[in-house]
Amino acid sequence: EAGVAQSPRYKIIEKRQSVAFWCNPISGHATLYWYQQILGQGPKLLIQFQNNGVVDDSQLPKDRFSAERLKGVDSTLKIQPAKLEDSAVYLCASSFLGVWETQYFGPGTRLLVL
Amino acid sequence: GENVEQHPSTLSVQEGDSAVIKCTYSDSASNYFPWYKQELGKGPQLIIDIRSNVGEKKDQRIAVTLNKTAKHFSLHITETQPEDSAVYFCAASSITGNQFYFGTGTSLTVIP
Repeated sequence: EAGVAQSPRYKIIEKRQSVAFWCNPISGHATLYWYQQILGQGPKLLIQFQNNGVVDDSQLPKDRFSAERLKGVDSTLKIQPAKLEDSAVYLCASSFLGVWETQYFGPGTRLLVL
Repeated sequence: GENVEQHPSTLSVQEGDSAVIKCTYSDSASNYFPWYKQELGKGPQLIIDIRSNVGEKKDQRIAVTLNKTAKHFSLHITETQPEDSAVYFCAASSITGNQFYFGTGTSLTVIP
C-alpha cells in the first residue's frame, strides 16, 4: 500500500514570497490533515478535511494560509505572504475516517523562510 | 482547547533498560490517546494507542497505561534497543471535538 506522498521535500523562499505544498493521501482515506511542526515542538494541526469539506481550521492563520482539497483526494496548502516564523516542517496525514483513528503521515516538506 | 503536557523532554537509557514517558491532558472529553515515534527526517508513525475504556494495552516491548481520573497516560518501553532512539510524541483527541493535540515530544537515546 502506497503511503502519503508530499512534495516538494524542501523549499527555501524569502519573506513575503508565496509557497505551495502538495499532498496525496492514502487511497480511500476520507480525512486529510495538515500540520505545522516547528523545530523542537510537536506537530500542530492547522486544518482537517473530510472528503471535500473542512472539518476544523481553527488553528489556521487564515490571513496568510489557505488550503483546499479538490475532489476529495489531493490537497494543497498555500502560504502568501510568508513570514520568518513560518519556517517549519509541514506534515500531511490521512486517516480512514477521523481523528480517533490511526493517522498516516507523509515525510513532510521542510520550509525555510529567509 | 486541550492541553497535552509531556515529560521528560529528553531521556537517555542504557540498552536493555526500560524507558517511561508520561503525558497529562486537560480535557476530560478526550478519549483517544495514541503514541507516535518520529525518526529524523520522517513523519510520525503510530506505535500504540489506547482508548478511554481501557486502562492498559501492551504490544510486545511497548505498553501504554491510562489513568482517566488523574488525566494522565504513560508509554513504557522495555528491553530498549538502539533502534528505539527517536522522538516520541503522545497525543489526545476526542471524537466529539474533531481536534487532535500532540505533546511536546521526548527525545529518547538508547546507549549501546
